[in-house]
Amino acid sequence: AQTVTQSQPEMSVQEAETVTLSCTYDTSESDYYLFWYKQPPSRQMILVIRQEAYKQQNATENRFSVNFQKAAKSFSLKISDSQLGDAAMYFCAYIFTSGTYKYIFGTGTRLKVLA
Amino acid sequence: DGGITQSPKYLFRKEGQNVTLSCEQNLNHDAMYWYRQDPGQGLRLIYYSQIVNDFQKGDIAEGYSVSREKKESFPLTVTSAQKNPTAFYLCASSTRDRVAADTQYFGPGTRLTVL
Repeated sequence: AQTVTQSQPEMSVQEAETVTLSCTYDTSESDYYLFWYKQPPSRQMILVIRQEAYKQQNATENRFSVNFQKAAKSFSLKISDSQLGDAAMYFCAYIFTSGTYKYIFGTGTRLKVLA
Repeated sequence: DGGITQSPKYLFRKEGQNVTLSCEQNLNHDAMYWYRQDPGQGLRLIYYSQIVNDFQKGDIAEGYSVSREKKESFPLTVTSAQKNPTAFYLCASSTRDRVAADTQYFGPGTRLTVL
């Protein structure tokens, strides 16, 4: 069964510092996509970054980057120069490209940014 | 602007009543999804639809029903059989276009409270 595990229920980071959120997944598929979503207090889910499994290069979006380790089935999110607006729940998600198009979400990591 | 709308934002229901949550998208996406989110929890899949006139049960479908008569609409009915319906409900949609990497886009959510 496909599963996504976020082992850190809560993390804190000082403003302007760097933080890494962990995500591991379990799958027997070879072609899939991985995502990080942010859910601020407004509860609107916002896409942060996505990664195609067939691409070896790690995705980057401004201050957000991932460390994708396919063999280890690991997909961590690094936030550089943390800002107060980064405080939110962060969800890791997975979908494989064939089959039912059902997304699998982790349980989330609450990120606190300290001024 | 393309996007997903959910209405109402807040909904109050008396015990024993059925209520319907609206979800509309103008992104021309084939797939649509309903999730339930409880306080401090992740997303749990209720129902999803990959094409018009077809839908599948998710992990917690009991007490819910859906229809998909139009590509842009995927309403969710919370029936009186749902024992604990108070929660935040999120609707999402996605394309099956590899270029778009199957990114899932979310509506702003509906907060349902049973009185």
